Amino acid sequence: QSVLTQPPSASGTPGQRVTISCSGSNSNIGTNNVNWYQQFPGTAPKLLIYVNNQRPSGVPDRFSGSKSGTSASLAISGLQSEDEADYYCAAWDDSLIGRVFGGGTKLTVL
Amino acid sequence: QVQLQQWGAGLLKPSETLSLTCTVYGGSFSFYYWSWIRQPPGKGLEWIGEVNDSGRTSYTSSLKSRVTISVDTSKNQFSLRLTSVTAADTAVYYCARVPYRLPYPDAFDIWGQGTVVAVSS
Repeated sequence: QSVLTQPPSASGTPGQRVTISCSGSNSNIGTNNVNWYQQFPGTAPKLLIYVNNQRPSGVPDRFSGSKSGTSASLAISGLQSEDEADYYCAAWDDSLIGRVFGGGTKLTVL
Repeated sequence: QVQLQQWGAGLLKPSETLSLTCTVYGGSFSFYYWSWIRQPPGKGLEWIGEVNDSGRTSYTSSLKSRVTISVDTSKNQFSLRLTSVTAADTAVYYCARVPYRLPYPDAFDIWGQGTVVAVSS
């Protein structure tokens, strides 16, 4: 059972906009920044969004992040087949005094 | 271009000790946390713990009694030691960098290639 809650799966067709939610609590998302990671099978995760809504250099602006209260979201617009991957949210947790991940969301491009 | 290169034993028997090392190439060791994360087969990511450049550590509570993360700044290396392993510790283990501030504060911005660790009798 992950501290941050994500839907196990999401899907969309090419060109669509898809959002993935990440629900937490006051001790993690409510008071700390949220980061998002993209992982392809057999590879290490890659930083996709940091400090809730910032994109590292090289990440397409089709990817965006937002945070409100104790929840965060990752949005992917203009969905492409190469976006098919697993996506994870993460944050620091003040109560656990450690970093926590969501359970991950498998995105399928139909 | 900063890179993390990790290595260690990939096959262990129950009750043995897991030991992995991660070397930082091409960058400073200072002003970062150095983390270990694992991913069981077909499952999500789990943060194990981290050490900073001064040797201060934080661990996830579920593994705290069995895990030690240490740093050797002279070699730009940090290490993971997990004692009394069981089949439940079978996973891909990753090392990762977390900047205090720049360029990506408090995010795992650079990852090692991953090491598959299997625990089996």
